[in-house]
Amino acid sequence: EADIYQTPRYLVIGTGKKITLECSQTMGHDKMYWYQQDPGMELHLIHYSYGVNSTEKGDLSSESTVSRIRTEHFPLTLESARPSHTSQYLCASSESGQRQFFGPGTRLTVL
Amino acid sequence: AQTVTQSQPEMSVQEAETVTLSCTYDTSESNYYLFWYKQPPSRQMILVIRQEAYKQQNATENRFSVNFQKAAKSFSLKISDSQLGDTAMYFCAFTHKGAQKLVFGQGTRLTINP
Repeated sequence: EADIYQTPRYLVIGTGKKITLECSQTMGHDKMYWYQQDPGMELHLIHYSYGVNSTEKGDLSSESTVSRIRTEHFPLTLESARPSHTSQYLCASSESGQRQFFGPGTRLTVL
Repeated sequence: AQTVTQSQPEMSVQEAETVTLSCTYDTSESNYYLFWYKQPPSRQMILVIRQEAYKQQNATENRFSVNFQKAAKSFSLKISDSQLGDTAMYFCAFTHKGAQKLVFGQGTRLTINP
């Protein structure tokens, strides 16, 4: 079944560690997005990609980086995690740039 | 720049009641799309309903319907016969034809009480 997956679902990590949040989709969508969302709050777009080897920064400045080497895979990396990075990270994909399909999210806590 | 405003941070109703969530948007585009997304507690965000601006008829999906007022730039969501499973954050979102991104509102936290 076509879907969008995120791992890990929950991550607790110490300050200064490098982390990679994984996002994969099996829907064949060209467009993929990363959002940052504090619990119960609005979504902030931090990165997006229109296809392989295409990445753009979103509306909210983020210290994270992304890559898009394969259509189905759009990982997000934090080189040195800090407590201010504690949040939920949502990945989404879209065929047309209109309707977006969301993953289950990764809840990150940096101690 | 396009903006989406949800003026109700929180709402609470009794089960089986009807509830309406408000959303207004600002755009100079004429061809665009509007969405309501639902994010249940600790669960995946899903699309509830979608409206295309050029369609005058309001979209309906079972108990969910919209009141789309294009001139007023208003896009409210009505949930009829509300159920406990409707408890969630609801986000209004906008995009225009040719755009690759969605603009989200701030969200409304809806609680359905037994």
